[in-house]
Amino acid sequence: DSGVTQTPKHLITATGQRVTLRCSPRSEDLSVYWYQQSLDQGLQFLIHYYNGEERAKGNILERFSAQQFPDLHSELNLSSLELGDSALYFCASSPSTLTGELFFGEGSRLTVL
Amino acid sequence: DQQVKQNSPSLSVQEGRISILNCDYTNSMFDYFLWYKKYPAEGPTFLISISSIKDKNEDGRFTVFLNKSAKHLSLHIVPSQPGDSAVYFCAASPVQGAQKLVFGQGTRLTINP
Repeated sequence: DSGVTQTPKHLITATGQRVTLRCSPRSEDLSVYWYQQSLDQGLQFLIHYYNGEERAKGNILERFSAQQFPDLHSELNLSSLELGDSALYFCASSPSTLTGELFFGEGSRLTVL
Repeated sequence: DQQVKQNSPSLSVQEGRISILNCDYTNSMFDYFLWYKKYPAEGPTFLISISSIKDKNEDGRFTVFLNKSAKHLSLHIVPSQPGDSAVYFCAASPVQGAQKLVFGQGTRLTINP
């Protein structure tokens, strides 16, 4: 158990819809990262928050947005969903921005039909 | 453009033998390299890392080798155990920290008893 909690674990929705994925980092961690893993692909970095502030953006679509709240939990919002958005979405946390050693949640599997 | 490549999608090794997982990268700016292990239905977990000032880092049964001139790193597991069966991801970054971390597609390692 990494200490990072993601909900929901599975989500099935239709094209055009909007969903919110939630992440609770380890209690001591200020950094939250979101990654997308599509079929047979590596993890693609989406966005990084540190103590409530956005610090870096990766290959995140404009239809996607995220935020980190004062209690440090984070939400990833995906809107106008397309079939290609079907993927595993991982949240990871770390105590520092200076380490690549991340603690990952179990992921949220999104299926868009 | 895949900057980090794991060319073997899968690898099968006999229990007790050495497992060698390979990873190639194209970006000469990468300075920091990590390996993650992932079991089904779990998030990736950090395994071992190496910075470019070293060519080898060892942690118990796990050793990572870095050949900067060839832009190649490898993970050696010896002796291999059934519990090592998992998907292994290599990752690379030009800086310490996870903001610019680029992951490979993963290699599925199966240890046969």
